[in-house]
Amino acid sequence: GESVGLHLPTLSVQEGDNSIINCAYSNSASDYFIWYKQESGKGPQFIIDIRSNMDKRQGQRVTVLLNKTVKHLSLQIAATQPGDSAVYFCAVGGIDPGTYKYIFGTGTRLKVLA
Amino acid sequence: DGGITQSPKYLFRKEGQNVTLSCEQNLNHDAMYWYRQDPGQGLRLIYYSQIVNDFQKGDIAEGYSVSREKKESFPLTVTSAQKNPTAFYLCASSPSAGTQNEQYFGPGTRLTVT
Repeated sequence: GESVGLHLPTLSVQEGDNSIINCAYSNSASDYFIWYKQESGKGPQFIIDIRSNMDKRQGQRVTVLLNKTVKHLSLQIAATQPGDSAVYFCAVGGIDPGTYKYIFGTGTRLKVLA
Repeated sequence: DGGITQSPKYLFRKEGQNVTLSCEQNLNHDAMYWYRQDPGQGLRLIYYSQIVNDFQKGDIAEGYSVSREKKESFPLTVTSAQKNPTAFYLCASSPSAGTQNEQYFGPGTRLTVT
């Protein structure tokens, strides 16, 4: 079946450093990718998305990189702040064309150390 | 104030009772979804609806039922047939389009069944 996985369940970074969170997917037909941030007890919050016709997209302090050859995407957070502490997970779309079904990764917990 | 609302935030039920979780959106989105989130697992799709009066089973539909009588509302009933109902339930919506679009999530309902 389809799968999406993250490389690390937990990532600890020093405040002010850059963070990199990774996600791997299995289906080469996947064509849409989203990164979400989820704080404890809350619903996921959209961070940034990217479509398969791009390999890089930048937002405010965040960059998503997509490598379709190895089916890997990453989320880079610049100058990590305490408010960035949360679980981050990726969602992969395009698995089932014509619907809006996504496969979700299990998430990486980002801890920002003061 | 646009968005998705879920109520209640916390719900407690005795085993053997059916319970209905509310989800309302005022984003004018055609598609709505219900997910279940358990510790250490990615979001799993229970049911989704792409249009009013139509819905499809997701990956873990057994023991759940939904209705989509209005565009704004997509209630989920957790029946007594669901073997492990205790979980965090998330509702989401996305605009209708030919390509994948971001899913917007509600704040979630934590259901505890004892």
